[in-house]
Amino acid sequence: NAGVTQTPKFRILKIGQSMTLQCTQDMNHNYMYWYRQDPGMGLKLIYYSVGAGITDKGEVPNGYNVSRSTTEDFPLRLELAAPSQTSVYFCASSYSGTGRIYNEQFFGPGTRLTVL
Amino acid sequence: AQKITQTQPGMFVQEKEAVTLDCTYDTSDPSYGLFWYKQPSSGEMIFLIYQGSYDQQNATEGRYSLNFQKARKSANLVISASQLGDSAMYFCAMRFLYGNEKLTFGTGTRLTIIP
Repeated sequence: NAGVTQTPKFRILKIGQSMTLQCTQDMNHNYMYWYRQDPGMGLKLIYYSVGAGITDKGEVPNGYNVSRSTTEDFPLRLELAAPSQTSVYFCASSYSGTGRIYNEQFFGPGTRLTVL
Repeated sequence: AQKITQTQPGMFVQEKEAVTLDCTYDTSDPSYGLFWYKQPSSGEMIFLIYQGSYDQQNATEGRYSLNFQKARKSANLVISASQLGDSAMYFCAMRFLYGNEKLTFGTGTRLTIIP
């Protein structure tokens, strides 16, 4: 299993540009998440999904959109990029179901985004 | 609402010594889980250990143990016999046991192991 994969690893955007951060997991996890990590800080939840076709806002959703058309994929869309969106973005997934004790989240390697 | 507090921005520890990383939390929900993650300089998040609010015993995973004091709302991570590879950022996180399983993270502690 590749686990959680994210592309691209790095990206520089100009103010006002748009882009999609890709996230794919091959563990058949039903839950997926997007976090951002600002320098020297912990992770903050942007959006999450409990299954295909279902998404919901996290703590810091403004400026972002998501979709979940399949179990495997959970892309994050940035519209009209702003310098405040300069951050490292992590995608994560977990399995929620019977037989699991604590359902830890598995993280992708992250995407480092700079908006200039 | 839930909140995680890590009061130690950075720690320096001699190799082979034990180290305790502090974590306190605030929630009114009786059903929650506490997690510790390690983030090395390469950036990935690595799950270390979990403690459930109803667990009777403190969690242990190899050199990692969790000193869970429910009444004080603390969940400190203890690393025994520290190694150079333990140098990293460490994050404490919590979530409710029932519902959407969103994690709330603390701000982290940067641990540096000195040879």
